Amino acid sequence: DIQMTQSPSSLSASVGDRVTITCRASQDIRNDLGWYQQKPGKAPKRLIYAASSLQSGVPSRFRGSGSGTEFTLTISSLQPEDFASYYCLQHSSYPLTFGGGTKVEIK
Amino acid sequence: EVQLVESGGGLVQPGGSLRLSCAASGFTVSSNYMSWVRQAPGKGLEWVSVIYSGAGTYYADSVKGRFTISRDNSENTLYLQMNTLRPEDTAVYYCTRDATGPLYWGQGTLVTVSS
Repeated sequence: DIQMTQSPSSLSASVGDRVTITCRASQDIRNDLGWYQQKPGKAPKRLIYAASSLQSGVPSRFRGSGSGTEFTLTISSLQPEDFASYYCLQHSSYPLTFGGGTKVEIK
Repeated sequence: EVQLVESGGGLVQPGGSLRLSCAASGFTVSSNYMSWVRQAPGKGLEWVSVIYSGAGTYYADSVKGRFTISRDNSENTLYLQMNTLRPEDTAVYYCTRDATGPLYWGQGTLVTVSS
């Protein structure tokens, strides 16, 4: 099974800050990676697919990058509605595996 | 509009069984990869199972041999039969329509395994 190691597990940031979250895959997954945002009590929402493609309707301040085993989600200027948990997911092979999650909190 | 509505969750004793349903609208279940994903209280997301458009299936090791994913094409509904439930199966269960990974998600249904 492919393991996804996500860091940090939590972070505190202010509105307007640039935020970076990283996922590392235990083996090469090409660009078969998505990023999801989840708010409390809600289902996750996909932000990024194919490592760097922005899902329709998602603000351009979200950017995904990377390929192979190292991936990054960057929020260029954190907005109040961005305080949430974020997860990466590899879909290169089954079983699909999520990263452990990153909780973005208000500083 | 794509909609996924889960039902069937509830409280069940360890060793018991439960069947979850996911009623789909706005698309055809049998033409898509459909998954179940769960989230234990206060924890992260865990992928559980997939049924391919060709009807093949795959399971996470944690549920293999206990859970069965299936679909009813006439009802356009996805199912998850859960047997021999354990306390660690307690979670919100989401059904998803996949397109390079889960894209559309239902609202989830809570399963609690406790005596």
